[in-house]
Order: sequence, then C-alpha cells, then structure tokens
Amino acid sequence: QSALTQPPSVSGSPGQSVTISCTGTSSDVGSYDRVSWYQQPPGTAPKLMIYEVTNRPSGVPDRFSGSKSGNTASLTISGLQAEDEADYYCSSYTTISTVVFGGGTKLTIL
Amino acid sequence: QVQLVQSGAEVKKPGASVTVSCKASGYTFTSHYIHWVRQAPGQGLEWMGIINPIGGSTTYAQKFRGRVTMTRDTSTTTVYMELSSLRSEDTAVYYCAKDNGYYNFLVWGQGTLVTVSS
Repeated sequence: QSALTQPPSVSGSPGQSVTISCTGTSSDVGSYDRVSWYQQPPGTAPKLMIYEVTNRPSGVPDRFSGSKSGNTASLTISGLQAEDEADYYCSSYTTISTVVFGGGTKLTIL
Repeated sequence: QVQLVQSGAEVKKPGASVTVSCKASGYTFTSHYIHWVRQAPGQGLEWMGIINPIGGSTTYAQKFRGRVTMTRDTSTTTVYMELSSLRSEDTAVYYCAKDNGYYNFLVWGQGTLVTVSS
C-alpha cells in the first residue's frame, strides 16, 4: 500500500487561508469517507484535527475544515495563527482493512 | 481521563527483539481497538497494525508481517507490540493509539523511542 500524496510544504501569513491536499486511490481515499487529519508540532504526539472527512473532535477550532472529492481529500485552515505552524498528516482506511498515512506537509506561518 | 501510557525508551542491537507496552485507562478496554504507529527520526507516520482487545485478533501492515506481534492482557488493560529482527531502520518513536471509530486516532500514547545500534 503506497503512502498518500501530500505536498511537502505550504505556507501562509497570519489571517490567510491554506489548503493541504491528500491524494490517494480508489483503494483508500476514494472508497470510504474515513479520511482523518492530524497536527503534529515538533517533539509531540499527533493530534486528531478532522475525522471521517469533515468532522472535528471537541475542542478543535472551526477554522479547520475537511473535504473530499474522488481520490483527493483536503484540509483547509482559515484565519491562520502562529500556533498552527506544525506538520500535518492525512490518513485513510483502505479496502484491505489497513490504514495508510500521507507523507506529511510542513505548514509555515510567514 | 482516557490515557495510554507506554513503556520507556529502549536501546537494542541489530537482530534483537523489542517489546513496547501500552497501558490503557479511563475507558472500557474491550470497547476500542488499539493501533500501533511509528515515526522514524525526521520522517512521517507509518501504520504498523491493529489489535482487537476482544479476542486479540490482529491485522498487520504488509511491511511488518512476520516481524511484528501484537498481544493484549485484558486483566491489566495492557497492549504489547513486539518487533523482531531489528535493524537500524527500525529506529523510531513507536506510538499506540486508541481507535475512535472507523480507524481514526483521538488518544495517543506518549511515544516510546526505540534505538537500534550496534
């Protein structure tokens, strides 16, 4: 199972919006609405930000939103804040009952 | 509160095996699967496998089949991950994570650094 494809890096200024893409195949992202997004600041465990494509766990700001079209999922962060600077990973359930992660995207706040 | 507490850092020689434990508390242990995810230094997240605390059935990522064994002890609400035939590329932080439903991970352990070095 190949890793999902994410851009290595994105950047934006405070207050702006950024979108991170996550491209898979019909064997993972395209088959189920079981895409999740995780935020990982350096030296910490990942934090769940979005699950089942669009849902936010309690406590995650509504500035974070998710979507999916075909084999590509996206995470949009609006109203960027300095504290959003971190690595972001997508993941998807697969047709062989496993999980595959994306390679990760480093978000830099300019 | 819901917690996963992992065992401490390990240093192993190539060819050896390592076992990392993950003790769950604050919820009904048998109600949620536990996953294992690893992260090599400076690299991304890599899913290793899943264990069902009821019955102990497992599914492993193809990459690790034959080298990884996940088990659980319901009496101590602890899950174990054993990785054998260690090589330098297995140097990583190993995380356990509680399934939140449909294979997403809301609660993570603090991570266990496993260093493989001669």
